[in-house]
Amino acid sequence: SYELTQPPSVSVSPGQTARITCSGDALPKQYAYWYQQKPGQAPVLVIYKDSERPSGIPERFSGSSSGTTVTLTISGVQAEDEADYYCQSADSSGTLVFGGGTKLTVL
Amino acid sequence: QLQLQESGPGLVKPSETLSLTCTVSGGSISSSSYYWGWIRQPPGKGLEWIGSIYYSGSTYYNPSLKSRVTISVDTSKNQFSLKLSSVTAADTAVYYCASLTVTNLGFDYWGQGTLVTVSS
Repeated sequence: SYELTQPPSVSVSPGQTARITCSGDALPKQYAYWYQQKPGQAPVLVIYKDSERPSGIPERFSGSSSGTTVTLTISGVQAEDEADYYCQSADSSGTLVFGGGTKLTVL
Repeated sequence: QLQLQESGPGLVKPSETLSLTCTVSGGSISSSSYYWGWIRQPPGKGLEWIGSIYYSGSTYYNPSLKSRVTISVDTSKNQFSLKLSSVTAADTAVYYCASLTVTNLGFDYWGQGTLVTVSS
């Protein structure tokens, strides 16, 4: 079955830039989405269609795509950004898939 | 703005059928602007897409669960439902309902989630 691969954890100091990657063979042909999930809460969509930001999401969140890898970038990380982040896309048959998640720690 | 709320039993016995309902407010479940989906998250683990439905009744299921899953829509109650049969302990998870806007196809509105435990 199709898999999206994320690093288990990323650590960054406040004010620095965090980059979380997601790799998958179908990413050149399928859009990627990113979700932020804080403990005990439902996920929140922070990036859609690789690089679009929903209304209400801070500008410090951005997304990019290059080949089989998409990247979520959080510029000027704040303590409130500490959370789990999940990428999501689809395989060639349209089955939706989530990455394993990345725990962002703000040092 | 859409609001979604899951409801259903929090405890299901092994081999039985898990049934959950998602009530949608702030919009019509018959709208052509949305798909409706179910996602689950086992305790301490990641997210898994279960399936989605369009207002027309078209359904899309995760192949790994397809043989056990049924998702349906009740337009009269503005609800959609999940049935998962022959459950085991591996089906213990927080179950979320969510909407996908057809223009961006991301899960943009989520319910708060409901924990379903499979145990005798």
